[in-house]
Amino acid sequence: QKEVEQDPGPLSVPEGAIVSLNCTYSNSAFQYFMWYRQYSRKGPELLMYTYSSGNKEDGRFTAQVDKSSKYISLFIRDSQPSDSATYLCATYGQNFVFGPGTRLSVLP
Amino acid sequence: EAGVTQSPTHLIKTRGQQVTLRCSPISGHTSVYWYQQALGLGLQFLLWYDEGEERNRGNFPPRFSGRQFPNYSSELNVNALELEDSALYLCASSLGENTEAFFGQGTRLTVV
Repeated sequence: QKEVEQDPGPLSVPEGAIVSLNCTYSNSAFQYFMWYRQYSRKGPELLMYTYSSGNKEDGRFTAQVDKSSKYISLFIRDSQPSDSATYLCATYGQNFVFGPGTRLSVLP
Repeated sequence: EAGVTQSPTHLIKTRGQQVTLRCSPISGHTSVYWYQQALGLGLQFLLWYDEGEERNRGNFPPRFSGRQFPNYSSELNVNALELEDSALYLCASSLGENTEAFFGQGTRLTVV
């Protein structure tokens, strides 16, 4: 079993939709969770960093962590074409562990 | 504040050659991580340096090596390049364990 699993997509949504991106992880010792956005051929950009279970909001983005089910989510409200990218979830074990990424396309 | 910087941005090498990639972390960050991202694939962990020492290593052959300097900048060296080494090499830095990591824009290496 991989340490972090993520649906690779691709996921296509119309502009303005609410997007839900999800990851599961295997190790209950993981405590820190991150979401990154990566545009094609660029370095990943940190979007959200969370520690505890619950929700963390930043603008149109909400990160949700459920440690009891080892499930993390990123919600994007009012999605825009500029949100089209690959989204990577990550956690921290002996080093950073990344999911494979979900490719999102927001269609105008 | 400057982010993580990597050089060069692009590189073309011939199979069998050696290459050195460079990374300057965010000021104050002591940890540097290196990842390989082949086209269409996820991030594969290569190396982690902290306070000048190698802390962890991914499942890569010994021809992948590196070091971290006293100013916390880092080099990644790849010897005897193979075609499958063609990838985007990403460097990230953090303040230390269990803190968020910030990435550079990467070095795109093409081996022909």
